[in-house]
Amino acid sequence: KAGVTQTPRYLIKTRGQQVTLSCSPISGHRSVSWYQQTPGQGLQFLFEYFSETQRNKGNFPGRFSGRQFSNSRSEMNVSTLELGDSALYLCASSLTESNTGELFFGEGSRLTVL
Amino acid sequence: AQSVTQLDSQVPVFEEAPVELRCNYSSSVSVYLFWYVQYPNQGLQLLLKYLSGSTLVKGINGFEAEFNKSQTSFHLRKPSVHISDTAEYFCAVSVRSNTGKLIFGQGTTLQVKP
Repeated sequence: KAGVTQTPRYLIKTRGQQVTLSCSPISGHRSVSWYQQTPGQGLQFLFEYFSETQRNKGNFPGRFSGRQFSNSRSEMNVSTLELGDSALYLCASSLTESNTGELFFGEGSRLTVL
Repeated sequence: AQSVTQLDSQVPVFEEAPVELRCNYSSSVSVYLFWYVQYPNQGLQLLLKYLSGSTLVKGINGFEAEFNKSQTSFHLRKPSVHISDTAEYFCAVSVRSNTGKLIFGQGTTLQVKP
């Protein structure tokens, strides 16, 4: 069974640009959540989707947005990039929306903003 | 609000020695507790979780953790570490009434020396 796939793995952008990151969950998983990982702030929750509906949102500005498609694949978008958006963005999937289950993480998309 | 404190940012230990990684949490409501491990350039992998029941939880790779409600702690232990255990370890909590959102500690880097 394939794991969580995130694309692209690495990307470099400049300030003011926008970026879209993609996440394909494990087959059959309907919940997808996104986390930002930085050396200073650690792992921070961005948002969670289940059956194409956003169920939870972290404390990030509106420049960060996401969506989930009917096949459970998810994308997140960051507009008007800032230097501080440089981070590893991790996607995780789980079978249900319950938080008692295991989250399966992808290897992440490493974004560098110059 | 919930918070997680991992008391040690780095823990150096010799191979085959025991290790304890400390985690304390703060929450006004009941939570679920998790330990994840992150190897270099990889996503996170669940080591173990506490949902309810026995306060001693056994996980993968010989790790175990003990939930202590009175001390709001969830320390991770392993009786004998291997070089391959070198990684970053994250303690996390989620609110029982919420879904999917994990609050992570800052992480502890375990450095196993030969």
